[in-house]
Amino acid sequence: GDSVTQMEGPVTLSEEAFLTINCTYTATGYPSLFWYVQYPGEGLQLLLKATKADDKGSNKGFEATYRKETTSFHLEKGSVQVSDSAVYFCALTRSGGYQKVTFGTGTKLQVIP
Amino acid sequence: DGGITQSPKYLFRKEGQNVTLSCEQNLNHDAMYWYRQDPGQGLRLIYYSQIVNDFQKGDIAEGYSVSREKKESFPLTVTSAQKNPTAFYLCASRPHPQGNNEQFFGPGTRLTVL
Repeated sequence: GDSVTQMEGPVTLSEEAFLTINCTYTATGYPSLFWYVQYPGEGLQLLLKATKADDKGSNKGFEATYRKETTSFHLEKGSVQVSDSAVYFCALTRSGGYQKVTFGTGTKLQVIP
Repeated sequence: DGGITQSPKYLFRKEGQNVTLSCEQNLNHDAMYWYRQDPGQGLRLIYYSQIVNDFQKGDIAEGYSVSREKKESFPLTVTSAQKNPTAFYLCASRPHPQGNNEQFFGPGTRLTVL
């Protein structure tokens, strides 16, 4: 079945550091890929998405590129802020008939001043 | 504003009691979902509904029940049969159950069993 694997957290960075959170997936066909962010005590918010190979999703300084050859969708940001501290979830869904959304286990990011 | 509301935000229950968590959406979405999140864990799917008057079990449906009598509402009942119900519960919706559209999430309900 489908699966999403994220790097273990927590990730602790100093403000203005470069961020990479790795995400790899297993799925048949051509899934769509998503990054969600969850702030403490809240629900998940969509951060960015990509629906086909080589697409780059971007939002609020975050970027991720859909790499089919490596089945990856790594999240990056050039300069993190304290306000980026949250849990980040990678997810996928496939088109064609009903498909559930498959989530990774989440990666907690803590940014220190 | 369109969105998903969950109530209450915090809920306390005594052991042996059933409790119902509310989820309402005004996004006109067809599909709705319930997830459970435990501390430091990912999301686990409890139940989902693709259309009104239809729902299916997810990965951890035991001890839970749902109904989908109206398009905008998808309440979750946590029954006394659920052995470890203390968790954060998230409701989500999606425009269509098929295709590559994303899910939209509510703010969550934190259930604590005393």
